[in-house]
Amino acid sequence: DAGVIQSPRHEVTEMGQEVTLRCKPISGHDYLFWYRQTMMRGLELLIYFNNNVPIDDSGMPEDRFSAKMPNASFSTLKIQPSEPRDSAVYFCASSLDRVNTEAFFGQGTRLTVV
Amino acid sequence: DQQVKQNSPSLSVQEGRISILNCDYTNSMFDYFLWYKKYPAEGPTFLISISSIKDKNEDGRFTVFLNKSAKHLSLHIVPSQPGDSAVYFCAARGGWEYGNKLVFGAGTILRVKS
Repeated sequence: DAGVIQSPRHEVTEMGQEVTLRCKPISGHDYLFWYRQTMMRGLELLIYFNNNVPIDDSGMPEDRFSAKMPNASFSTLKIQPSEPRDSAVYFCASSLDRVNTEAFFGQGTRLTVV
Repeated sequence: DQQVKQNSPSLSVQEGRISILNCDYTNSMFDYFLWYKKYPAEGPTFLISISSIKDKNEDGRFTVFLNKSAKHLSLHIVPSQPGDSAVYFCAARGGWEYGNKLVFGAGTILRVKS
């Protein structure tokens, strides 16, 4: 397996625009996580899914953020409208099941909102 | 409310010496702890873990110690090598009622000088 695949690797957008980040988890993994990394807060969990169902979205900062997982092999994180303070590296990760907790991370998407 | 804290933003160690990275947590329901390593422009990668029923786990040069009464864990790297220079994240997982999400600390930058 190629691991967790995220796209794009880099995204530069203007304030107010919609941004969509994409993730393909490792095949067979039941859990998918979206994290955001900032200098101030480190790795923050935004939302996670179990078997495509959102379980906990308490980390989503505002209503401007939304995430979907239409099937087991694809998830999106959308920001609409984007703001400069959303600039960060966004990581997607997946894990096999609850027992095998080790989460495998993608390479991340570096988002810059100008 | 940061439930996992890494109070040292950075650590500098001479090659061949021991590196000790520390992590404190506040939630007594955490039952599993992990350390991740992150190189620039890459996603975090799993390094070592420990269950709350143990107090030590060793894997080659890496050893994790858990002190449940103090809610403290540490990662020891012996001997330290220049290739160990990276950001190290401590993570914790809650019990069944907490789901399978991992809560991360803010990270510690380790620099190993040759």
